[in-house]
Amino acid sequence: QKEVEQDPGPLSVPEGAIVSLNCTYSNSAFQYFMWYRQYSRKGPELLMYTYSSGNKEDGRFTAQVDKSSKYISLFIRDSQPSDSATYLCAVNTGNQFYFGTGTSLTVIP
Amino acid sequence: NAGVTQTPKFRVLKTGQSMTLLCAQDMNHEYMYWYRQDPGMGLRLIHYSVGEGTTAKGEVPDGYNVSRLKKQNFLLGLESAAPSQTSVYFCASSYTGLAALEQFFGPGTRLTVL
Repeated sequence: QKEVEQDPGPLSVPEGAIVSLNCTYSNSAFQYFMWYRQYSRKGPELLMYTYSSGNKEDGRFTAQVDKSSKYISLFIRDSQPSDSATYLCAVNTGNQFYFGTGTSLTVIP
Repeated sequence: NAGVTQTPKFRVLKTGQSMTLLCAQDMNHEYMYWYRQDPGMGLRLIHYSVGEGTTAKGEVPDGYNVSRLKKQNFLLGLESAAPSQTSVYFCASSYTGLAALEQFFGPGTRLTVL
């Protein structure tokens, strides 16, 4: 069983839609939860990270963690064509990082 | 600043050949990482380093060796390449502590082993 499971999609939405991306993880020892964005043929870049259960907002992006159910979510409001990318969830404990397989998102103008 | 650079960008090897991938960063980061990315498997950590002269195993270290002789460089070696090592390899670097959550990735090296 992988440490982090993520629905690969692909996901296609119209511009302006609310997008929900989800991951589950297996180990309650994981301390931090991250979302990275990866454009085609580029390296990933950090969007945001959270530590505790609850929500964290950054502009149009909201990260949510539910430690009781080991569930991680990323919501994108008012989605834009420039949001078209692959979104990777990640967890860590110490110096070990585990990434999900990524969800491919396309926002159609 | 160039950020994180990787050399080469593309490479084709035959089974059994060896090669070294070079990662360089100019951000004075302490931590450096090597990942491989495969369809359906996501990004997987191969090896990492928490400082000059140190290395440690990640999730999938078999078949790879690494060295961190200088703080700004992290080398990934394949001694005897196998087709299963066909992948896109990413190097990343970060500061320490909580800042380690933000890893800065290079553009990747696409390796094909025939």
